[in-house]
Amino acid sequence: AQKITQTQPGMFVQEKEAVTLDCTYDTSDPSYGLFWYKQPSSGEMIFLIYQGSYDQQNATEGRYSLNFQKARKSANLVISASQLGDSAMYFCAMRVLSGNTPLVFGKGTRLSVIA
Amino acid sequence: DAGVTQSPTHLIKTRGQHVTLRCSPISGHKSVSWYQQVLGQGPQFIFQYYEKEERGRGNFPDRFSARQFPNYSSELNVNALLLGDSALYLCASSLTGEAEAFFGQGTRLTVV
Repeated sequence: AQKITQTQPGMFVQEKEAVTLDCTYDTSDPSYGLFWYKQPSSGEMIFLIYQGSYDQQNATEGRYSLNFQKARKSANLVISASQLGDSAMYFCAMRVLSGNTPLVFGKGTRLSVIA
Repeated sequence: DAGVTQSPTHLIKTRGQHVTLRCSPISGHKSVSWYQQVLGQGPQFIFQYYEKEERGRGNFPDRFSARQFPNYSSELNVNALLLGDSALYLCASSLTGEAEAFFGQGTRLTVV
């Protein structure tokens, strides 16, 4: 079974600063994908970034980057130059890539960006 | 291009009633999954359909059922509603069951 752990219920960051949201995962399957989603108060889950277990480079998408440390089973999200609009819930998720397996989510981290 | 659309956006039902939630995936996406998100938690997997066949079922009672239509849209049905079924129900679509999933805005169900 897969498990995602997000240990930070809430985080604060000053506008224009960088912030790291922690995520650790557990799986015995060697082929998996790691995802980060943003959920504003409207409820929609917005896909941010993806990292495959065999990818050699850390994924980056604009201001988002994923700090993937396979040996430590961690997949932290780094948001650079925070903006007020980044205030939201952030969820880390994973999926085993063999077969049609569902996403397994963590409990999320609430990020608040302060002006 | 339209994203994943869900209807209705909000719903209030009484205990014991049944409810049908609807989802239209992104055009070309053949996989649809349903998730339940209760307040303060991450989404929990309910069902996945791919090419109109059920490919996975989460740990939910038989009161929950779903189906996928030839146009790949999907319905989630919940019978004999309980107060604990109050949640945000999210639908996600993807090209295949293994690709990244794109979510709709959800249906917020309140059972009173």
